[in-house]
Amino acid sequence: SQQGEEDPQALSIQEGENATMNCSYKTSINNLQWYRQNSGRGLVHLILIRSNEREKHSGRLRVTLDTSKKSSSLLITASRAADTASYFCATSNDYKLSFGAGTTVTVRA
Amino acid sequence: EPEVTQTPSHQVTQMGQEVILRCVPISNHLYFYWYRQILGQKVEFLVSFYNNEISEKSEIFDDQFSVERPDGSNFTLKIRSTKLEDSAMYFCASITAWTGELFFGEGSRLTVL
Repeated sequence: SQQGEEDPQALSIQEGENATMNCSYKTSINNLQWYRQNSGRGLVHLILIRSNEREKHSGRLRVTLDTSKKSSSLLITASRAADTASYFCATSNDYKLSFGAGTTVTVRA
Repeated sequence: EPEVTQTPSHQVTQMGQEVILRCVPISNHLYFYWYRQILGQKVEFLVSFYNNEISEKSEIFDDQFSVERPDGSNFTLKIRSTKLEDSAMYFCASITAWTGELFFGEGSRLTVL
């Protein structure tokens, strides 16, 4: 299966701290995407990084991609209570996105 | 901002009944998807749909499932005879090109009793 697997499964941090989560996958990809899901809601796209890119920034988000290690990381800087959510990586290939199990991030005020 | 809309938001049904979940994708999108998320678990791919036919389907998407785009706007998922294990959130998503970002609806929660 090409789907990503996130690590850690859960993360609890203090407001203002950085949150880092990792994603590993198994097969070649066109791109890798990160999504956020608030409890009971739909998934919201955060950022997309193509297979020929190594790093990408969007606001307080920083994503890296290492295709040789088949891994990606998502860094959320200066976390806020509103960042509390589950974060999923998704790999794109074969006309679908395959999602990992997600990292649940809790930001304590 | 354009969005994917899904109805119903919650449906409760008896085991063995047929269920139809409806989605209105974003109007200029070409690829449509159904995903499923059992409570607390990962988001699982069910089926992708392009040019009025299924592009790919997972092993979950067995003969009990079907998809249809009956008109230019709606995209439906039908479960012919629901089982208890079909209880989940079902998400519809659409995309302009298959290498881009997916736009998800808010989901339809299906509870099978």
